[in-house]
Order: sequence, then structure tokens, then C-alpha cells
Amino acid sequence: DQQVKQNSPSLSVQEGRISILNCDYTNSMFDYFLWYKKYPAEGPTFLISISSIKDKNEDGRFTVFLNKSAKHLSLHIVPSQPGDSAVYFCAAPLRENAGGTSYGKLTFGQGTILTVHP
Amino acid sequence: NAGVMQNPRHLVRRRGQEARLRCSPMKGHSHVYWYRQLPEEGLKFMVYLQKENIIDESGMPKERFSAEFPKEGPSILRIQQVVRGDSAAYFCASSPTGTGFHEQYFGPGTRLTVT
Repeated sequence: DQQVKQNSPSLSVQEGRISILNCDYTNSMFDYFLWYKKYPAEGPTFLISISSIKDKNEDGRFTVFLNKSAKHLSLHIVPSQPGDSAVYFCAAPLRENAGGTSYGKLTFGQGTILTVHP
Repeated sequence: NAGVMQNPRHLVRRRGQEARLRCSPMKGHSHVYWYRQLPEEGLKFMVYLQKENIIDESGMPKERFSAEFPKEGPSILRIQQVVRGDSAAYFCASSPTGTGFHEQYFGPGTRLTVT
């Protein structure tokens, strides 16, 4: 059961333009979402997160939008740079216990390979 | 402030041998998570540990796999009698103590190859 889905395996963008990476989820219990960037042969690097009480969070060139009614989130990178070329994963943590305040494992999407051309 | 450390970075084992993967969390972090990435797939959760406790091992195969996070020293993921299907990248992540949401920070991974 794939609770977090990234339906686009790859995305190609010109340098300076906007990159939009999409993610859908099915579990309405998720209340936080994260984006990670991963280069080959390295571990995932945390980029940005968003709480379900917000619909937007911005950090420099990275903005994440959350549409709870559609169970959809997106990561916008503006302007895109060649160094942004990597695999991008969206992920969501589950609460350790129903109604609890601590979070445990992350459920990841399959990833989207972003290529930014100079 | 060092990040999450994992060693070895690369590990080659013959079928039937044991593999031991180590993870030292970031300073001040007492929660450790192990994930596995098979070729061409996303990361899959394996096990979540706090010091001397396994909190959630729902993603770990019942046979041959075990994990620990002792009071002193790194967390260890142990795979006994490895098979070719165990070949993957194994990532450790850590997060701070305390309730509420905290981001998980990942190590560079251990790439296990079973020949």
C-alpha cells in the first residue's frame, strides 16, 4: 500500500526556470510532510517541511504548498540551478501511537529525478 | 557539529556471511531509524530505536535481521546469513529527543553488496 506517491519519475527543467515536483498521499492521518534531496551515493538531505495546519512554507528558493482537500503537496524551486539536479523524495511521519504527540517512521514516495539543464 | 555517521560506507559479503552496519546519531539525538533502499526503489522503513529500546520494528524482516542501540556506542544493524536480495543501500537517520515533530537527518549510507 503506497501511502505516499510521486507519480512523475523524472522532470527536466531549464536553468533559471521553475521546477515543480508533485506528491500525493492517501493517509489522512499524516499531519507533517517533508521534502528530501538525494545525490547519488549520498544520504537524503532534509530540505523543507510543512505542517498540515499551513498551506505554504517558504525557505529561500524552495516553497512547499499543501492542499489537504486534494491530499496533494508540491515543491517549487525558483529559480532552478544545475546544482539542484538530484532525486527528490517527499515523506510523511506517522505518530508513534494514535493520538500521541511523538512521531516515528517516515513513509517515502518513490522519488522524482530532477535534471536542470544549463 | 558532526552529522550522522555510518560505517562502513561499502561492505562486500559472500552469501551466508554476517553483515554489521554501524550508525552514530547526531550529537544530542537519541532516536535512530534504519531505512533500506533497494535498486530503483524509494526508501523503506525498517526499524526505529531509542537508547536500549526497540520502538518499532514493523519494517524489519523477521528472519536474519536484528538491530540494537545500546546505552553506550553506535546503533548496529545486523544481517545474518546474507543473501543476494539483501544487496541494497542502508541508511540511518536520527532525530532529537522530545515529543512533537522533529525532522530526521540521514547519514551517508552503507552500500551492501552480497556476492
